[in-house]
Amino acid sequence: NAGVTQTPKFRVLKTGQSMTLLCAQDMNHEYMYWYRQDPGMGLRLIHYSVGEGTTAKGEVPDGYNVSRLKKQNFLLGLESAAPSQTSVYFCASSYLRHTEAFFGQGTRLTVV
Amino acid sequence: ELKVEQNPLFLSMQEGKNYTIYCNYSTTSDRLYWYRQDPGKSLESLFVLLSNGAVKQEGRLMASLDTKARLSTLHITAAVHDLSATYFCAVVGAGFGNEKLTFGTGTRLTIIP
Repeated sequence: NAGVTQTPKFRVLKTGQSMTLLCAQDMNHEYMYWYRQDPGMGLRLIHYSVGEGTTAKGEVPDGYNVSRLKKQNFLLGLESAAPSQTSVYFCASSYLRHTEAFFGQGTRLTVV
Repeated sequence: ELKVEQNPLFLSMQEGKNYTIYCNYSTTSDRLYWYRQDPGKSLESLFVLLSNGAVKQEGRLMASLDTKARLSTLHITAAVHDLSATYFCAVVGAGFGNEKLTFGTGTRLTIIP
């Protein structure tokens, strides 16, 4: 059982480049989340989705876009990467809003 | 907007001692979670607390929830080195439309032999 899988695990981008992070879950979960983790800041919610075809903004959405075209996948896009987006990104999913969330292994992104 | 605060942010304690981590949140919530994160790793679910007065225990860790005080505690009994990690609480707001899972800033726990 793969659970929540994030691709890639590491990436280095130059300022202004674009990229897409993929999150895939095989647990038939409705809810999916993208967080970023920075030292001393805990986890901050970027965007989330409550079902296929839906997305909503979290706490720090600027500079990111998301799509949930298929229930099992939640994509996070950076259109024009900035050094401030250097972070560790975590994807999570949960079956319903009141059930526990399961996390992927994280993507370490560095923007130079 | 839901705010979640944890204290302390850093905790260094000797093996064998007891201590408590506190998690306060600002608005009504009906779900609270505790997670553990080891350095360079992902988050692992520890406890799910679903109602006022809920208490869950696993080994040397015990979590409780007081929804009236908007407070959860994570109590560590007779700490051992393996418990060294960062602990997060996370809260889901009550009511329709409050789907966001909001995290505290975490408590970095170091157990000293």
